[in-house]
Parts: sequence; structure tokens; C-alpha cells
Amino acid sequence: DAKTTQPNSMESNEEEPVHLPCNHSTISGTDYIHWYRQLPSQGPEYVIHGLTSNVNNRMASLAIAEDRKSSTLILHRATLRDAAVYYCILRFEGNLIFGKGTKLSVKP
Amino acid sequence: ETGVTQTPRHLVMGMTNKKSLKCEQHLGHNAMYWYKQSAKKPLELMFVYSLEERVENNSVPSRFSPECPNSSHLFLHLHTLQPEDSALYLCASSRGFGETQYFGPGTRLLVL
Repeated sequence: DAKTTQPNSMESNEEEPVHLPCNHSTISGTDYIHWYRQLPSQGPEYVIHGLTSNVNNRMASLAIAEDRKSSTLILHRATLRDAAVYYCILRFEGNLIFGKGTKLSVKP
Repeated sequence: ETGVTQTPRHLVMGMTNKKSLKCEQHLGHNAMYWYKQSAKKPLELMFVYSLEERVENNSVPSRFSPECPNSSHLFLHLHTLQPEDSALYLCASSRGFGETQYFGPGTRLLVL
């Protein structure tokens, strides 16, 4: 079973920031938090991952709560191409256990 | 383009057929994975190979048979499938087991 909880869907307007939340209250000290996204008709795509500190890359930022029981993926300026299902995943014994993710819709 | 290719992209087969799905990665990775994605269900990990040795087999029925002849190629041999096996089959690779995974586009399988 997935060990994360995400909203089923979210909507955003184009060129506005998007904050995608994820709860992982049973996270262990060695679990990395991974985010992947799946665009329509494609395989999942790595977005970002982190352990304790906030992380930034060219795609997004990851904000991790101090107690690590929740995290937020931040897309700074949503585009229509960001419409996808976003998965928050805890890496378990080396494997990625996918949940149902959050379906992000972006309105022009 | 992720560097992971899958063929065929679409496949229709009868329940008595035998077919194979192929995955190839051009990233120099040492681990490869098969996932199944059914409609409205999360991705399910099926098999993991690391350095051409199978390290994970998640209770997958024997009608699915993986093969990893070298670190760049992964096959999924299919025989006597059921209609409920219709799904998107995704291949992924990573530099090492447990590291960031790169997915192929998938094979959409329909079993009649």
C-alpha cells in the first residue's frame, strides 16, 4: 500500500504558482520523498526528491515539513504542459510504491 | 525522450497467443523494472532486475515471464493471458537499484 496521501485532483490557472500537498505521517528516518509526474499517454517522469531539506531544481521546488510528515511540491509558474498526475512517493526498500496521485488541471 | 524505449507501443492478443514486450535503455543503467498500470489503479511493480539478476518478483502470475539478457535489454514474455491483464505495461531503468527511475512510454496491451 502507498504510504502517502494526496488530494485526488487540483486546478490551477496558467502562469500561477501551484502547491501540491502530500501527507506521509508514517515516514521513517531513512525514507526519501520522491515526486514523479505522468503526462497523458506517457510513462512517469522524475520531478524531484529530498530527505530533510528543501530542494530546488529546474522543474520544481520541494518543501519538506520540519517533522517530515508532510511535503509540498511547488510549481512556480504552471503551464498547460504541466497538466499531469503528480505522484508523491516514499522510497521503500529501494522500490517506488505509487499511489493514485493528484491530477492537476491547468486552465488557460 | 527519456532514453528508455519500448516496443511494440500497442499490442492486441488473444488469450491463447504468445507475445513478448521489449524494453531497451540507452543510459548505461544497471537496474531495470517492469510495472503494470491498469485503468484507475496505481502503478504496480512487477519485476526488478539489478545487474541482470532478478531481485524482486511481486507475486506476479507465471503467465508473465521476464528475461534480462544484459543490462540494456529487458523482455516480458506473455502467454495464455486473461482479459484482466489488459493494461499499460511500463519499463523503467535506474543507474543502481533504488535510484531515480527513468520510464519508457509503455506498451498498451489489449487481451481479447
